[in-house]
Amino acid sequence: DGGITQSPKYLFRKEGQNVTLSCEQNLNHDAMYWYRQDPGQGLRLIYYSQIVNDFQKGDIAEGYSVSREKKESFPLTVTSAQKNPTAFYLCASSSTRQETQYFGPGTRLLVL
Amino acid sequence: AQSVTQLGSHVSVSEGALVLLRCNYSSSVPPYLFWYVQYPNQGLQLLLKYTTGATLVKGINGFEAEFKKSETSFHLTKPSAHMSDAAEYFCAVSAGTASKLTFGTGTRLQVTL
Repeated sequence: DGGITQSPKYLFRKEGQNVTLSCEQNLNHDAMYWYRQDPGQGLRLIYYSQIVNDFQKGDIAEGYSVSREKKESFPLTVTSAQKNPTAFYLCASSSTRQETQYFGPGTRLLVL
Repeated sequence: AQSVTQLGSHVSVSEGALVLLRCNYSSSVPPYLFWYVQYPNQGLQLLLKYTTGATLVKGINGFEAEFKKSETSFHLTKPSAHMSDAAEYFCAVSAGTASKLTFGTGTRLQVTL
């Protein structure tokens, strides 16, 4: 089955700790995206990548970092500089020839 | 620049009643418009989309939406609500293929007996 997987489903971060969220897709999509979802605020774009080894900041990139070493993978690191990391994180991907983004099941990040 | 406004953060309807979720957009280029649905603690699932062509778009689960350029609207409707329609619905706009999506703040649909 083709799709997008995110792991883990739940992640706990201690103060001052960096954590990495995984996103993998087997849809052969070129573009991948990371969104943050907070109650009442919809989804906000953190980072996106349209091709391997290239990525751009979204609207709320501060305190986050990404890499795109493989077409299938787009991990997101939440650094200690992100002071309010508690949120639901969603990864998405799309073909550069199509307009539709497909979403993974999400990772909920909680701070201990 | 583009933006989306969803009117009503919560909408409650009776089972069997009409569902109407409102979405207005602004875009400096011809928009691509989307409706997604999200069930609790899950990702987003595409309901329907408008890119070009026919302005009345039919999606999954009996939903449809009409693109009205003059009103900059893309409202989502379903003739008869079902209990399984209870979820959060997001309207989104993009400028084209592999473009950033800009989301509205969402509308939570409650369906009562």
